[in-house]
Amino acid sequence: SQQGEEDPQALSIQEGENATMNCSYKTSINNLQWYRQNSGRGLVHLILIRSNEREKHSGRLRVTLDTSKKSSSLLITASRAADTASYFCATAFYGNNRLAFGKGNQVVVIP
Amino acid sequence: GAGVSQSPRYKVTKRGQDVTLRCDPISSHATLYWYQQALGQGPEFLTYFNYEAQPDKSGLPSDRFSAERPEGSISTLTIQRTEQRDSAMYRCASSLEEYNEQFFGPGTRLTVL
Repeated sequence: SQQGEEDPQALSIQEGENATMNCSYKTSINNLQWYRQNSGRGLVHLILIRSNEREKHSGRLRVTLDTSKKSSSLLITASRAADTASYFCATAFYGNNRLAFGKGNQVVVIP
Repeated sequence: GAGVSQSPRYKVTKRGQDVTLRCDPISSHATLYWYQQALGQGPEFLTYFNYEAQPDKSGLPSDRFSAERPEGSISTLTIQRTEQRDSAMYRCASSLEEYNEQFFGPGTRLTVL
């Protein structure tokens, strides 16, 4: 199916370090969205990046999009224990408004 | 409203019973989505509405699943003759319009015994 796939699947880092995770997809997209989910709770929207954009920032988050490689990355700078969560990328394809989610990246930030 | 709300938060039912889940989207949002999320997985699309219209219901797993949004605001998802495999978290999301940020509700955890 046309799903985003995150890489790596699990990441463990020390507080203060940066965390980077990647997402790849297979067909042309309208936009790509990143979400955070803590311990199976609600999905929190982080950033939406459109196909004509290359980079977006929000606080300590930086998202890049490379449509030629069909990939995106999420960088969390100066990580905190509260950033411990699962991070999902989700793609919206042209002509199809649904979001296709990847399996998620488990990020553990050790205090 | 302040965010997307869903009710009930938890539902336990016996196999064969019908259940109805409710979603109240952000008040200015035209588009409403339903997703199903299994433990440890990302959400899977079920269906969506643009106001009252339901352009895509291709993600509904079987004809036991149906959704409505009669007045273009609150939506319900009904599962008839529930089966154990229907046990999952059901999440609703809304967006201002199509291809915008989707904001998710807290979900309804459905357990079918």
